[in-house]
Amino acid sequence: GAVVSQHPSRVICKSGTSVKIECRSLDFQATTMFWYRQFPKKSLMLMATSNEGSKATYEQGVEKDKFLINHASLTLSTLTVTSAHPEDSSFYICSIQAAYEQYFGPGTRLTVT
Amino acid sequence: GDSVTQMEGPVTLSEEAFLTINCTYTATGYPSLFWYVQYPGEGLQLLLKATKADDKGSNKGFEATYRKETTSFHLEKGSVQVSDSAVYFCALSLQGGSEKLVFGKGTKLTVNP
Repeated sequence: GAVVSQHPSRVICKSGTSVKIECRSLDFQATTMFWYRQFPKKSLMLMATSNEGSKATYEQGVEKDKFLINHASLTLSTLTVTSAHPEDSSFYICSIQAAYEQYFGPGTRLTVT
Repeated sequence: GDSVTQMEGPVTLSEEAFLTINCTYTATGYPSLFWYVQYPGEGLQLLLKATKADDKGSNKGFEATYRKETTSFHLEKGSVQVSDSAVYFCALSLQGGSEKLVFGKGTKLTVNP
């Protein structure tokens, strides 16, 4: 299967700052990547679908101006949480679509103080 | 809307015990069904899947049968090992499995020696 990495694995930032999370496909050219958010004791919620070379498609209720997604190459998608607030603290997970399956990164724990 | 409900955890078992994690779903169409596993510090991995009614998915001693009449996809294993300790997620997709995954909340399994 495909290998997906995320960086950083953990990040702590102050309220009002922006944070960038990287998702890399290490051995597969991914035209489509997905970003999920996971709250404690809750399921993963799809935030957006990231398509290489085009604008991301956001799920209902997800603020596209707050969660900026850039999928500039077939191996890299970034999620930028802009003007972060404590309620944005969560576990963010990316995945890639490869051969009709999704392969997931290990996730990034964001804490906004 | 489409949703997945799985049994609340955590589940704690002794090695070689029988495991069942219940999963039921609600879907407007005919979904594909999945079980994903997340080992500590790692990303979600596909454990098994079934794409139509009465299909049985199996992998690593785990099994789940797609039951349309009861809208269920319960995960079972006859004899768990300490290495099976992980969080298990039930999920569905109405798009063949590679997009729009809808997850349950996850069930944490701990197996003691």
